[in-house]
Amino acid sequence: EDQVTQSPEALRLQEGESSSLNCSYTVSGLRGLFWYRQDPGKGPEFLFTLYSAGEEKEKERLKATLTKKESFLHITAPKPEDSATYLCAVQRIIQGAQKLVFGQGTRLTINP
Amino acid sequence: NAGVTQTPKFQVLKTGQSMTLQCAQDMNHEYMSWYRQDPGMGLRLIHYSVGAGITDQGEVPNGYNVSRSTTEDFPLRLLSAAPSQTSVYFCASSVISYNEQFFGPGTRLTVL
Repeated sequence: EDQVTQSPEALRLQEGESSSLNCSYTVSGLRGLFWYRQDPGKGPEFLFTLYSAGEEKEKERLKATLTKKESFLHITAPKPEDSATYLCAVQRIIQGAQKLVFGQGTRLTINP
Repeated sequence: NAGVTQTPKFQVLKTGQSMTLQCAQDMNHEYMSWYRQDPGMGLRLIHYSVGAGITDQGEVPNGYNVSRSTTEDFPLRLLSAAPSQTSVYFCASSVISYNEQFFGPGTRLTVL
């Protein structure tokens, strides 16, 4: 069965304290892996797409990496405004159509 | 561009009532989809459409209907609301199905 598991469920860091969020997956026919950020009461906001093992993408204090079994979202010297829930989603082919399967998210809190 | 818009923002229904959640996008995207988000469950795909006149079921389609008569609009209909449909509903769109999806702000639905 296809699964996307994110860990930890919640993470609390001090401002400037770097860390990583994990997204592990077991899916067949993976076409891409997406990272989204979701603020409370809002819709998910696109961050990155990764397509192949070894690929890396960066945006400000965030860097996403991909292996054959998992993806990491590295947060370097985070600021309070980085507090949000981070969602991982894998894209696969189901009955000839491309669909996203989401993980449950990691709720990140950055304390000043 | 307004992006993806959803109405209403909040709705309370009684069991058995019907209603339509509205979704519109002004980006000329071909692919549109509906998700529900429940605590601890992640986002789950309800229905999707790869273009006007074409719709298909996602993971959790029971109790919901969709239609796509124009590129811009993709309404979600609840035929006979049940408490199990209490959730936050998100509409999303993308240029084509395997591009990053842009999400609307969501509709918080409570069924009593």
